[in-house]
Amino acid sequence: GAVVSQHPSRVICKSGTSVKIECRSLDFQATTMFWYRQFPKQSLMLMATSNEGSKATYEQGVEKDKFLINHASLTLSTLTVTSAHPEDSSFYICSARDNWGTEAFFGQGTRLTVV
Amino acid sequence: AQTVTQSQPEMSVQEAETVTLSCTYDTSESDYYLFWYKQPPSRQMILVIRQEAYKQQNATENRFSVNFQKAAKSFSLKISDSQLGDAAMYFCAYRRRGSSNTGKLIFGQGTTLQVKP
Repeated sequence: GAVVSQHPSRVICKSGTSVKIECRSLDFQATTMFWYRQFPKQSLMLMATSNEGSKATYEQGVEKDKFLINHASLTLSTLTVTSAHPEDSSFYICSARDNWGTEAFFGQGTRLTVV
Repeated sequence: AQTVTQSQPEMSVQEAETVTLSCTYDTSESDYYLFWYKQPPSRQMILVIRQEAYKQQNATENRFSVNFQKAAKSFSLKISDSQLGDAAMYFCAYRRRGSSNTGKLIFGQGTTLQVKP
């Protein structure tokens, strides 16, 4: 299957700082990318959907000014957690699909810890 | 709105035995996909099996098979000859089909499968 690379796998940042997570499709053009948040032993919660060159569509209750998503190219989407606080600590997962694919492929996830 | 429900938070199975994980969903659409994903301790999401709603035949992938009951909106996963490496959290997911669809997946709550040696 196609490969989606997410970086970094783990990050620790200080409260009040911003952190950027990258999601890259390595061998296909990702017209659509998805960002999820997952708490321990819980399901994936969709945060936003982004299409290349367009503004992201955020799910209800997700602060767009806090979780900035950029999908500037067909192979890269970034999630920036701005002014991070301890409650933003979580596991963040991206997935990507091309225009024709049935399935979406997932990155390895990023464990964010805000101290 | 579409919903996916997994009513078994935890299941356990003896190695080499068979286990079935349940999933029900609710939708008014007639054309969609259903998936089972596996999330091992590494937390990498892995596609186990996929079913197109228009296909009556149940999907199979080696030791994994589904029982797709469209009228009942049920989509269970059967794992045969369970192996220690099958221990993971399993998620059932739904996705609408169609050109206007972004491909958003709707996940169930997940079932943690324990495999006993």
